[in-house]
Amino acid sequence: DAKTTQPPSMDCAEGRAANLPCNHSTISGNEYVYWYRQIHSQGPQYIIHGLKNNETNEMASLIITEDRKSSTLILPHATLRDTAVYYCTSGYSTLTFGKGTMLLVSP
Amino acid sequence: DTGVSQNPRHKITKRGQNVTFRCDPISEHNRLYWYRQTLGQGPEFLTYFQNEAQLEKSRLLSDRFSAERPKGSFSTLEIQRTEQGDSAMYLCASSLVQTGGTYEQYFGPGTRLTVT
Repeated sequence: DAKTTQPPSMDCAEGRAANLPCNHSTISGNEYVYWYRQIHSQGPQYIIHGLKNNETNEMASLIITEDRKSSTLILPHATLRDTAVYYCTSGYSTLTFGKGTMLLVSP
Repeated sequence: DTGVSQNPRHKITKRGQNVTFRCDPISEHNRLYWYRQTLGQGPEFLTYFQNEAQLEKSRLLSDRFSAERPKGSFSTLEIQRTEQGDSAMYLCASSLVQTGGTYEQYFGPGTRLTVT
């Protein structure tokens, strides 16, 4: 499984877009990129995944670079409830999580 | 609620005791995973099942740990002779894996174990 690198923390103002970067330079050709988030004391919540193309769902958008070495998760209009640890991960049958990015959304 | 459920949510035990946790996956999901998470760290993979078969175990899973999924539905994780270092959140996840499909996993709320 590819190793991912994320900034330890980020801040975002409520109502603004939150752009969370992730480097996954060792990702294999057919490994998907997955994003999860974890609110304090809860289990991780699945957000979105992608392979090569950009993806969007009701929660977020995922932008994957053409060389697939990095991706960005976009929360278009962050709310206070989006404050959480965001994990970028990849793999086949098992996932390897790093320490993630602590996103703090402030009023 | 049709999500992944875990019981108990909290467990306090004395060192040396055995504990068992249960996980009920999302109905129809054929894969079930166990992870462990300590404070400030991301989840660490322990083991996973496809139906009844345990297909992979992490080196983190010492001989004191055993997991079962006897009928391909719920799973149990047992820790024998608990140690203080076993204190952690134990997370269960499930996924539906189909040929050519993806592997998004859905997590339960976790069982927090405290060994005193």
